[in-house]
Amino acid sequence: AQSVTQPDIHITVSEGASLELRCNYSYGATPYLFWYVQSPGQGLQLLLKYFSGDTLVQGIKGFEAEFKRSQSSFNLRKPSVHWSDAAEYFCAVIEYNNNDMRFGAGTRLTVKP
Amino acid sequence: GAVVSQHPSRVICKSGTSVKIECRSLDFQATTMFWYRQFPKQSLMLMATSNEGSKATYEQGVEKDKFLINHASLTLSTLTVTSAHPEDSSFYICSASGEDTQYFGPGTRLTVL
Repeated sequence: AQSVTQPDIHITVSEGASLELRCNYSYGATPYLFWYVQSPGQGLQLLLKYFSGDTLVQGIKGFEAEFKRSQSSFNLRKPSVHWSDAAEYFCAVIEYNNNDMRFGAGTRLTVKP
Repeated sequence: GAVVSQHPSRVICKSGTSVKIECRSLDFQATTMFWYRQFPKQSLMLMATSNEGSKATYEQGVEKDKFLINHASLTLSTLTVTSAHPEDSSFYICSASGEDTQYFGPGTRLTVL
């Protein structure tokens, strides 16, 4: 079945440390891939997206993600986390030739001082 | 970037009443809008796809008679929760299909007493 998997429900990192949030997908063809961030009680903010081309994508707030076809992954990274990055992060996909966006379960990020 | 608004941002109602939530694309026209539901600490679940001028397409398990969707114009879609019950309490988020992604509204918190 087609799915989006975020294996880590909750991650805690220290401020200033590096961060990697995992996302795997299982679709027949490479879908369009997205990372969103959601603060408590708020809507979604797009961090970055991948459609094609360069597999390393730069986003806002210092985030980047790398598409790895061989691993069906689109992991989100940040070299140095700030306390304001504490939030819920969602990986999402839109299947090629489809409009529907499907979300992973989300990863909650806690940042320790 | 494109802006999507939702109104109201928060609503509390009595059991048995109906509640209407509006989703507007403020600076672009959206032929397709989507409605999602998010339970606390969970991911977004697609409820339905709304196409301007036609009937909405509901996901499996979503009651179309309970969650009425109207997409009367290219900038407005409405979700009406009919005869709301406490189990309908949730965070409802809409999105509008833009050029290459979906743009999300800020969400509506519905609490049914």
